[in-house]
Amino acid sequence: KAGVTQTPRYLIKTRGQQVTLSCSPISGHRSVSWYQQTPGQGLQFLFEYFSETQRNKGNFPGRFSGRQFSNSRSEMNVSTLELGDSALYLCASSLSQGDEQYFGPGTRLTVT
Amino acid sequence: AQTVTQSQPEMSVQEAETVTLSCTYDTSESNYYLFWYKQPPSRQMILVIRQEAYKQQNATENRFSVNFQKAAKSFSLKISDSQLGDTAMYFCAFMGSARQLTFGSGTQLTVLP
Repeated sequence: KAGVTQTPRYLIKTRGQQVTLSCSPISGHRSVSWYQQTPGQGLQFLFEYFSETQRNKGNFPGRFSGRQFSNSRSEMNVSTLELGDSALYLCASSLSQGDEQYFGPGTRLTVT
Repeated sequence: AQTVTQSQPEMSVQEAETVTLSCTYDTSESNYYLFWYKQPPSRQMILVIRQEAYKQQNATENRFSVNFQKAAKSFSLKISDSQLGDTAMYFCAFMGSARQLTFGSGTQLTVLP
């Protein structure tokens, strides 16, 4: 069974732009969670989607948003990029809410 | 809010030896899950082991085992017969009723040949 895939793997954007990251969960998994990893703040929870609905949200500004499609694939969007948004963005999928999460390889976003 | 603390930023161990990574957490919940993830240089986060709080028996996965002390809110990871491929950053994580993972700051483990 294929693992969690994330595209693109690397991205360079300019401050003020917006970006969309994509995550395809493991087949059969219906829950997708997003995390931001930075050297300073470590791993922080962004949000979780289950059955196309946002079920949980971390402490991030409204510039961070996401959605989930009927096939469980998920996208996250960051608008008006700031230098501090440079990070590794990790997506994780699970069968359902509360189940163990399996991570993708991440998208490395650099904002210049 | 839950917090997870890993007090050892870096550790090293000789190949084939045993090492224990420490983790403590703080929560008022009684039902929760604890995890250890490893993140090698590739940055791929890999699930190592999972422990349900309601189970008294410590989880074991091959060379990896945990020492779960619920009253002390302690959850350490023991790696036996360490291998070079075990070199990675190890994260302890908590999942409670909010169904989101709260991670510790990580322990960088280096296995020396």
